[in-house]
Amino acid sequence: TAGITQAPTSQILAAGRSMTLRCTQDMRHNAMYWYRQDLGLGLRLIHYSNTAGTTGKGEVPDGYSVSRANTDDFPLTLASAVPSQTSVYFCASSGDPSTDTQYFGPGTRLTVL
Amino acid sequence: SQKIEQNSEALNIQEGKTATLTCNYTNYSPAYLQWYRQDPGRGPVFLLLIRENEKEKRKERLKVTFDTTLKQSLFHITASQPADSATYLCALDILGGYNKLIFGAGTRLAVHP
Repeated sequence: TAGITQAPTSQILAAGRSMTLRCTQDMRHNAMYWYRQDLGLGLRLIHYSNTAGTTGKGEVPDGYSVSRANTDDFPLTLASAVPSQTSVYFCASSGDPSTDTQYFGPGTRLTVL
Repeated sequence: SQKIEQNSEALNIQEGKTATLTCNYTNYSPAYLQWYRQDPGRGPVFLLLIRENEKEKRKERLKVTFDTTLKQSLFHITASQPADSATYLCALDILGGYNKLIFGAGTRLAVHP
């Protein structure tokens, strides 16, 4: 079982350009999440989706958008990248609403120049 | 606001000793707490969950305690091995259902032969 896959593994992006980070899970989990992880700040929630067709804003949503057209996919889009969006991005999913134990993808390392 | 504190300094111990990591929190009363392991360049991996009515939880060489009066969880690794070297994150629930976890920044553990 693949679990959660993310693509690309890493990317260098010019400021002002747009980009979509892809996330796919094969566990049929209802909930999916996007986090960014910066040194010393830990994981910060960007956006989440409790079920296909619904999305919500997390702690740091500005500059990012998401969609959840189906259960498996949860892409994250940066419409116009800025250097402060340089980070490691993790996608996660959860299939248990009683505990919300989360399963993480391998991450995407994004550098915005 | 909710705050989770984990020691930002790395913990260095000798192989065979017990490693003890601390997670302190304020301004909240979580129903449970989770611990995750993160290796460099990888996503976090769930290890253990402990509920508020459980004082202690064990899994192989791992032991977690949860003191809701002190607002603290301790994470112990007995008979530590170099392979235990990683960053360990604690996470608290803040809401019912999905989208309920907030993560600490993690503590890096280095086990030396």
